[in-house]
Amino acid sequence: GNSVTQMEGPVTLSEEAFLTINCTYTATGYPSLFWYVQYPGEGLQLLLKATKADDKGSNKGFEATYRKETTSFHLEKGSVQVSDSAVYFCALRISSGSARQLTFGSGTQLTVLP
Amino acid sequence: EPEVTQTPSHQVTQMGQEVILRCVPISNHLYFYWYRQILGQKVEFLVSFYNNEISEKSEIFDDQFSVERPDGSNFTLKIRSTKLEDSAMYFCASSSGTGGPGTEAFFGQGTRLTVV
Repeated sequence: GNSVTQMEGPVTLSEEAFLTINCTYTATGYPSLFWYVQYPGEGLQLLLKATKADDKGSNKGFEATYRKETTSFHLEKGSVQVSDSAVYFCALRISSGSARQLTFGSGTQLTVLP
Repeated sequence: EPEVTQTPSHQVTQMGQEVILRCVPISNHLYFYWYRQILGQKVEFLVSFYNNEISEKSEIFDDQFSVERPDGSNFTLKIRSTKLEDSAMYFCASSSGTGGPGTEAFFGQGTRLTVV
């Protein structure tokens, strides 16, 4: 089956530190990969995505590269801000007919201290 | 910017009672979903809905659950007889269906269901 394994949290960093949140996946097909973010009190928002091997998704200073050889999609940011404090979810989707559901990882809580 | 709206934001219900969670997806979207997240656990897929019928459902989505799109705008999740273990955050999502598997799914803010 399909699954996503995420680095366990919580993660606490100081402002301007480098961030890596690891994500690996197993999939029966050829997935699209996503990072969603959930800010306190809000719903899940798409942060970035990649739909094929070696694609790099990027948004708001975050980046993740689709690595098929290591089945990974690690999230990175060079310099985090307090406003990046949120829960980050790695997810995959394999499209099969009309079924397009996402499979999520367990989420990683990030807290950035000033 | 269009958004997915869920009501209520928090619902408390007694075990054995029926609950209906409501969602208004983005208006031109074709695919609708329910997910849930038990506290401290993964976000889990429950059901997807396309062309006025269920297109996929997980093992969690048993006979106690049903979905409906009664009027072309609302998308509801009904739990017929709630159990304590149904306590979770329930997320509704929708997607346009164009652009293949990379198409973004837009999520609502969630309904926190507490069964007592």
